[in-house]
Amino acid sequence: DSGVTQTPKHLITATGQRVTLRCSPRSGDLSVYWYQQSLDQGLQFLIQYYNGEERAKGNILERFSAQQFPDLHSELNLSSLELGDSALYFCASSFRTGDTEAFFGQGTRLTVV
Amino acid sequence: DQQVKQNSPSLSVQEGRISILNCDYTNSMFDYFLWYKKYPAEGPTFLISISSIKDKNEDGRFTVFLNKSAKHLSLHIVPSQPGDSAVYFCAATDPGNEKLTFGTGTRLTIIP
Repeated sequence: DSGVTQTPKHLITATGQRVTLRCSPRSGDLSVYWYQQSLDQGLQFLIQYYNGEERAKGNILERFSAQQFPDLHSELNLSSLELGDSALYFCASSFRTGDTEAFFGQGTRLTVV
Repeated sequence: DQQVKQNSPSLSVQEGRISILNCDYTNSMFDYFLWYKKYPAEGPTFLISISSIKDKNEDGRFTVFLNKSAKHLSLHIVPSQPGDSAVYFCAATDPGNEKLTFGTGTRLTIIP
């Protein structure tokens, strides 16, 4: 158990809909990262928050947004969903920004039908 | 543009033998490299890392080698055990860039 909790574990939704994925980091970790893993692909970095502020941005679509709340949990919002958004979405956390040995949650499997 | 490449999608190795997983990178600014292991239905877990100032790092059965001139790193597992069967991801990061850039992974199967 990495200490990072992601909910829900599975999500099935229709095209055009909006979903919210939730991540609770390890106790004491200030940095949260979001990654997307599509079929047979590596993990693609989406976005990082550190202590409530956006720190780094990767290949995140404009239809996607994220935030980190004062209690340090984070949410990834995906809107106007398309079939191609079906993927595993992982959250990771670390204590400091730049700590590369991040700890990953179990992921949320999103299926868009 | 795939900056971190794992060209072997899969690898099968006999139990007790050495497993060698390879990774190539193109970004010369990368200075820290990591290997993550992933079981089905679980998130990746950190395995071992190496800084660009070293060429070798060892942790028990796991050794990572870095060849900076060739922009190549490898993970050696010896002896291989059935529990090592998983997908292994190579990742890299550069100074001031806090995200990890991952390869596409290699599925390792250890044959009993």
